[in-house]
Amino acid sequence: GNSVTQMEGPVTLSEEAFLTINCTYTATGYPSLFWYVQYPGEGLQLLLKATKADDKGSNKGFEATYRKETTSFHLEKGSVQVSDSAVYFCALSDSASGTYKYIFGTGTRLKVLA
Amino acid sequence: GAGVSQSPSNKVTEKGKDVELRCDPISGHTALYWYRQSLGQGLEFLIYFQGNSAPDKSGLPSDRFSAERTGGSVSTLTIQRTQQEDSAVYLCASSRAGTSGSNEQFFGPGTRLTVL
Repeated sequence: GNSVTQMEGPVTLSEEAFLTINCTYTATGYPSLFWYVQYPGEGLQLLLKATKADDKGSNKGFEATYRKETTSFHLEKGSVQVSDSAVYFCALSDSASGTYKYIFGTGTRLKVLA
Repeated sequence: GAGVSQSPSNKVTEKGKDVELRCDPISGHTALYWYRQSLGQGLEFLIYFQGNSAPDKSGLPSDRFSAERTGGSVSTLTIQRTQQEDSAVYLCASSRAGTSGSNEQFFGPGTRLTVL
């Protein structure tokens, strides 16, 4: 079945450091891919998405490219800020089920130190 | 307009009691999803509604769990005879239509359920 594997956290970085959070997936067909972010005490918010191979999603300085050949959708940011401290979830939209329900990775907690 | 709302925000109950969790989706969104977020299991799908079609209940963990959606809008998730392992945050999400994987889902703030 479909699945998402996400790098384990927590990840602790200094402000202005480069961020990579790895995400790989297994899927039937061609799912859309998403990164959601959950700030402390808040709900899940869409960070970015990509709907087909080679698409690049970007928002708030974060980027991720849909790589079909490596089945990956790694999240990157060139210079993190303290305000980026949150839990990040990689997800795919399960087209095979007909419901487009999300299958989530386990989440990666990011802590950015000033 | 308003986002997805859920009530209550917190619910503490005793083992064996029934609970009802409510979700108000974004107006005009025809697809509605329930997920559960727990420490041991991460984020897992529970049930999906699309318009007036029969729901996809494939993620419900046991027959103690049920859900309904009235008038294609508000949804209620009911857990009967609650157990301690039901303790989790229950998230509701809606999207414009469940007919395209590119449609993003908008999540509510969740209901934190604690079963004592």
